[in-house]
Amino acid sequence: GAVVSQHPSWVICKSGTSVKIECRSLDFQATTMFWYRQFPKQSLMLMATSNEGSKATYEQGVEKDKFLINHASLTLSTLTVTSAHPEDSSFYICSARDLETSWTDTQYFGPGTRLTVL
Amino acid sequence: AQRVTQPEKLLSVFKGAPVELKCNYSYSGSPELFWYVQYSRQRLQLLLRHISRESIKGFTADLNKGETSFHLKKPFAQEEDSAMYYCALSGPETSGSRLTFGEGTQLTVNP
Repeated sequence: GAVVSQHPSWVICKSGTSVKIECRSLDFQATTMFWYRQFPKQSLMLMATSNEGSKATYEQGVEKDKFLINHASLTLSTLTVTSAHPEDSSFYICSARDLETSWTDTQYFGPGTRLTVL
Repeated sequence: AQRVTQPEKLLSVFKGAPVELKCNYSYSGSPELFWYVQYSRQRLQLLLRHISRESIKGFTADLNKGETSFHLKKPFAQEEDSAMYYCALSGPETSGSRLTFGEGTQLTVNP
């Protein structure tokens, strides 16, 4: 149980284009999903917290207009990198909290999406 | 502010030897502590959490509030334990149940 998928697993795009990454909880409902960024050989950096039906909460230093988050249902959150530039190239990971185990802060992670901006 | 420190970026042991991955935290309230593991080319997955007081794959971790530590231990390391290990913390102060991660420790178990 508690599987989180991400699509696509990798994407290459030209500078200036926008890229959408999907995060889905496959067998559970998630009121809260999280988006992280991970640089090579570094830890995960939280970008934003996504709550179903409301606006995302962004961490300090993360541009809201650059990284658009939509959490339209209990099983889907999307991250859109707008006008992507080479410095946005990174590994983006989402995670989700299971509504049924809201008594714990356990998060289940997706496999990540490798974004390369040329 | 909450913080998680993993002092060792790299840790190398031989198969069958005991292993301990250190984790210290700073938090003013009662945190929830986790260990996550990331095997090569795989997603981050939960290894164990302190509230469950469980042993997974032979690993255990005890929350020591006096020393603010949550070290991960295994008496006999196996080659398949080689992976990146992250200690993480959450609590009421981390609004929205955010996890704060340590920098991670790369464990290598040599044959």
